[in-house]
Amino acid sequence: RKEVEQDPGPFNVPEGATVAFNCTYSNSASQSFFWYRQDCRKEPKLLMSVYSSGNEDGRFTAQLNRASQYISLLIRDSKLSDSATYLCVVNEGGGADGLTFGKGTHLIIQP
Amino acid sequence: EAGVAQSPRYKIIEKRQSVAFWCNPISGHATLYWYQQILGQGPKLLIQFQNNGVVDDSQLPKDRFSAERLKGVDSTLKIQPAKLEDSAVYLCASRDRDRGLDEQYFGPGTRLTVT
Repeated sequence: RKEVEQDPGPFNVPEGATVAFNCTYSNSASQSFFWYRQDCRKEPKLLMSVYSSGNEDGRFTAQLNRASQYISLLIRDSKLSDSATYLCVVNEGGGADGLTFGKGTHLIIQP
Repeated sequence: EAGVAQSPRYKIIEKRQSVAFWCNPISGHATLYWYQQILGQGPKLLIQFQNNGVVDDSQLPKDRFSAERLKGVDSTLKIQPAKLEDSAVYLCASRDRDRGLDEQYFGPGTRLTVT
C-alpha cells in the first residue's frame, strides 16, 4: 500500500487569516482524493472531495495536481471552529477501495 | 438517517486477553470497512467487506486479528491475544458503493487500551 505524506504541524494561525495545507501521494494510479476533518477524540468526517479541475466550498478550496501527485487545501477567513486535524486521503481505486490516510495536519486558530 | 453504530465505546484489557468490537453500518450500505487509528496517526485500513465477502484484508494481522460479517450487515472485529501495540481507536465505516457514492461514513470508534 502506498503512502500519503503531509506536514503534521501544528499550524497556529490567527482568526481571519488564510491558511494552506499540502500533501503528496506516492501512487500515481490513485483515483479519488479527499480532505477529511477530524476533531479531537471524534471520528473523521468528509470535508470535501478534490477534483482535477479544483473545487470550492465556501471558504474552502481544494486543488489536485496529478502530474506532481500533490493535493492542497486552502482555508480563507479562518474561524475558531476550523481548529481541527485535517487528513489528506487517497482512494487507490479498483475493487479494494479502502482509503489511505495521511497522518493529518493539526490546525489551531487563535483568537 | 441513523449513522454507523459501534460498541463498546471504550475497552481496557490486559495484554494476552481477547476483545471483540461490534459495528452496525448505515442501513443499505453494502460496503463496510474496519480501520485502526493509533494516536498521532491517520486511520489505517484493516479489512474491507462487500456484503458478507472480504474484498481486502491485506493489512490485517491475521495471526491475532479476525473479522466477520456473516449476514452482510453487522460486523465484528476480534483481537486474540491482544498486544500493547494494539492500543488504538478502531473505526468502522460504511459506504453505499452499489450506488457509486464515494463518501465513507465513520462510526464514533472503540477506544482500546491494552495494559
